[in-house]
Formats: sequence, C-alpha cells, structure tokens
Amino acid sequence: AQSVAQPEDQVNVAEGNPLTVKCTYSVSGNPYLFWYVQYPNRGLQFLLKYITGDNLVKGSYGFEAEFNKSQTSFHLKKPSALVSDSALYFCAVRKGAAGNKLTFGGGTRVLVKP
Amino acid sequence: SQTIHQWPATLVQPVGSPLSLECTVEGTSNPNLYWYRQAAGRGLQLLFYSVGIGQISSEVPQNLSASRPQDRQFILSSKKLLLSDSGFYLCAYSAGTGGAYEQYFGPGTRLTVT
Repeated sequence: AQSVAQPEDQVNVAEGNPLTVKCTYSVSGNPYLFWYVQYPNRGLQFLLKYITGDNLVKGSYGFEAEFNKSQTSFHLKKPSALVSDSALYFCAVRKGAAGNKLTFGGGTRVLVKP
Repeated sequence: SQTIHQWPATLVQPVGSPLSLECTVEGTSNPNLYWYRQAAGRGLQLLFYSVGIGQISSEVPQNLSASRPQDRQFILSSKKLLLSDSGFYLCAYSAGTGGAYEQYFGPGTRLTVT
C-alpha cells in the first residue's frame, strides 16, 4: 500500500533561517509525491509535485522539494523562512490510478519565530 | 482558471438533524471529486470520491452519504447527524484526464454537532 510519513509533529525555525519539513514514502512502483500547506481554518493549498524527471522540484512561495529515491524521501525546503510560512504542511502520495486518490501524511506544524 | 466553492463556511447543527454540504467546481470538465474530513486540525480522511456523474465510491462506512447530480457538483449528506460527525469538511477536485494528478481544495466547512 502507498503511504507517506512525516516524522516531526512540529518544526520551529527562526525567521531568515532555512526550513526543512521531512517526508518519507513507501510505494510499489514509481512514486507520485505532493506537498500542500494549510493555514488556519482554510483549505489545503498545493505547493509542488514530483512525478518524474529532475529530483529537485520548485514550487510556489519559494518552496522546493528534493526527491531522493535511495532514501525514499521527499523533504520540503525553503532557503529563508518567513513568519508567514507558519502553517500546517502535508506530504501526500498518489494512491493509485483509480480515482486519482491521494494518501496524506499526518501533517507537520511549522512555527517561524521573528 | 479553475475555482472550487463550498458552502456553508460554518454550520452548527443539533444531533439527529439532517445535513447537506455542497461543493461546486468551475473551469474544468469531468473532474474527479472528493470529500475529506479533517479532525482536530490534523489528518485528512477521505470519505468519498467520484469519477463521474452518479458514480460514488465510499472509502469508510459511516453515517454520511454523497451524491453527484451534475458534472461539477458534489453533495455530502446525512439523514441524522451524530456528535462524532463534527469536523472540518473539505471538498477537492483533480483533473479527470491529462496526468495532472494533484488535487485542489475548497475553503472548507466547519461543522459542529451539538
């Protein structure tokens, strides 16, 4: 079964410092991986995806993610965090072709301190 | 461009009352549609998905049902609400074809059952 894990419930970082949110995956076949961000009482916003190709994927709001096949990881990164990046982040993996369903990780709360 | 709407934004309903949440999508044809529930601001649980009009797949047995009366309309219903139905309900869509795979989410409905 396709699954993703986010090992950290919360990540604290100072504004201006690099931000990393971790995600590992377990899939059979080629993984289709996604990152989303959720602000309080809002829907999820799509940040980026890895389907195939370059292992470094660039997305919205200055975020990028690195696909690492040997470590089965897809960590989200931002070189310089902003206070406004404080939110809940979800990693997801495509569950299969039928219905294009996604399986989400448990989420990581990011707190960027001024 | 595509847009997804959900209403109402918030709802407070007594136990045993009926429920109807509506989701509509604009700017795309034949989308896959999804209903999720998010409890306690964390994990997402897929409740239903639909690949076409009248085609509903249930992911978990529960007190809820879904319907898709039109191509871009998805409705979540209940005949009698339980306290455990409280939560944040999210509708999402993905392209039915074309290999885009990612899902886009609506703003959500906060349901409180009292």
